[in-house]
Amino acid sequence: AQSVTQPDIHITVSEGASLELRCNYSYGATPYLFWYVQSPGQGLQLLLKYFSGDTLVQGIKGFEAEFKRSQSSFNLRKPSVHWSDAAEYFCAVVRAYSGYALNFGKGTSLLVTP
Amino acid sequence: GAGVSQTPSNKVTEKGKYVELRCDPISGHTALYWYRQSLGQGPEFLIYFQGTGAADDSGLPNDRFFAVRPEGSVSTLKIQRTERGDSAVYLCASSPGTGAEQYFGPGTRLTVT
Repeated sequence: AQSVTQPDIHITVSEGASLELRCNYSYGATPYLFWYVQSPGQGLQLLLKYFSGDTLVQGIKGFEAEFKRSQSSFNLRKPSVHWSDAAEYFCAVVRAYSGYALNFGKGTSLLVTP
Repeated sequence: GAGVSQTPSNKVTEKGKYVELRCDPISGHTALYWYRQSLGQGPEFLIYFQGTGAADDSGLPNDRFFAVRPEGSVSTLKIQRTERGDSAVYLCASSPGTGAEQYFGPGTRLTVT
C-alpha cells in the first residue's frame, strides 16, 4: 500500500535559518505526493503537490519540495524560516482506488526559535 | 466564500453512547472525505464519498462506524457504542472532484469518557 514516512518527529530551527523536512514514500509507480501544514487551532492547509513533470515544485508561503525517485523522497524546503512557520507538517500520498483520498505521515513538529 | 464546516467543534460523550458528527462541505464539491486524527498522529483515512454514494469505506475501523451523505452535500459520521479509543479529532474534507485539492474543515474533537 502507498505510504509515507516522516523520520523527524520534532525539528527546531532559528528564525531566518533554512529548513528541510524529510519525507520518504513507499510506492512502485510514480506517487502523487502532498505537503500539508496544520497550525494550532487551524485546519490542514495544502502547501504544495506533485503529480508529474518538473521534480521541483513551488508552493505557497515560500515553500518548495523536490521529488527524487532514486531516493524515494519528497523533502520540503524553505530558504528562510519565519516564526509564523511554527506548526505541524504532514507529508501525504494518494491512496490507490480511493478517489484521491490520502495516506498521511505522522507529521513533523516545527519549532522556530528567535 | 465559506469553507468546510464541522459541528460540533467539541463533543464529550460517555462510553457506550451513540454520537453523530456533521460535515458541511463547500458548495458544489462532489467529493467528500472523512479522516480521524489521534493525538500525535497524522490523519487516517476513514471513508470517501463521490456524490451520495460511499465509493470507498475501507478505512472505517469496524461496524460501529457508519457515514451517510443522502443528498450529496452534508455528511454525517455516526459512531455507535463509543469506546475510549474512539477519542480523536475527526476531520472532514471536500473537493470539487477527484484529483483536485482537498479543503479541510477545522475538525470535531471527540472525547469518550
